Amino acid sequence: EVQLLDSGGGLVQPGGSLRLSCAASGFTFSNYAMTWVRQAPGKGLEWVSSINGSGGSTFYADSVKGRFTISRDNSKNTLYLQMNSLRAEDTAVYYCAKNEYISVAGSDYWGQGTLVTVSS
Amino acid sequence: QVVLTQSPSASASLGASVKLTCTLSSGHSSYAIAWHQQQPDKGPRYLMKVNNYGYHNKADGIPDRFSGSSSGAERYLTISSLQSEDEADYYCQTWGTGIQVFGGGTKLTVL
Repeated sequence: EVQLLDSGGGLVQPGGSLRLSCAASGFTFSNYAMTWVRQAPGKGLEWVSSINGSGGSTFYADSVKGRFTISRDNSKNTLYLQMNSLRAEDTAVYYCAKNEYISVAGSDYWGQGTLVTVSS
Repeated sequence: QVVLTQSPSASASLGASVKLTCTLSSGHSSYAIAWHQQQPDKGPRYLMKVNNYGYHNKADGIPDRFSGSSSGAERYLTISSLQSEDEADYYCQTWGTGIQVFGGGTKLTVL
């Protein structure tokens, strides 16, 4: 059974940093691209960043480019999102999602989400 | 860049059927999409993938009441025999070289 466990969220001040993690199990992690998606309070889903199966290719939404870094450790079956220079508008529930293929494609499994609140 | 358009809301009666639409922007009518359901206070759940031929690849455990279809630049999600637990937000998603795009979502109310 595929399982994705998101963690690392919390309250952080504007300008601060946070690292999210997503522990994966139930599938061969390195064979699939992974994605971070966020959802601000009362809003829709927003794609944040994706990484291919090997970790050699990364992609970012313009809203986070230069501030967020996606990475993965295939030996630990874990996906990460390093978030720096956080802003109030980054407040959201962050979900990791497994992609259908080794390259970025649609998502077919989701984590439960972790809440990030950026506030002073 | 591809844009997905969804109606903000839809409603239908218990036991009836409803067809939700996701429209791909001009020049992107060949793209496949995925449908996701988000029930109140829960995370998203993948339902199915719909390509431009109308073929849909449904996730395990999704009832037969859920089906997908396609016409031109439109991708559809049809839910028949509506149940109260179908009241949720429904998002379509597509993808390009390295990126993903979501529609704005449709809030389905079961009357």
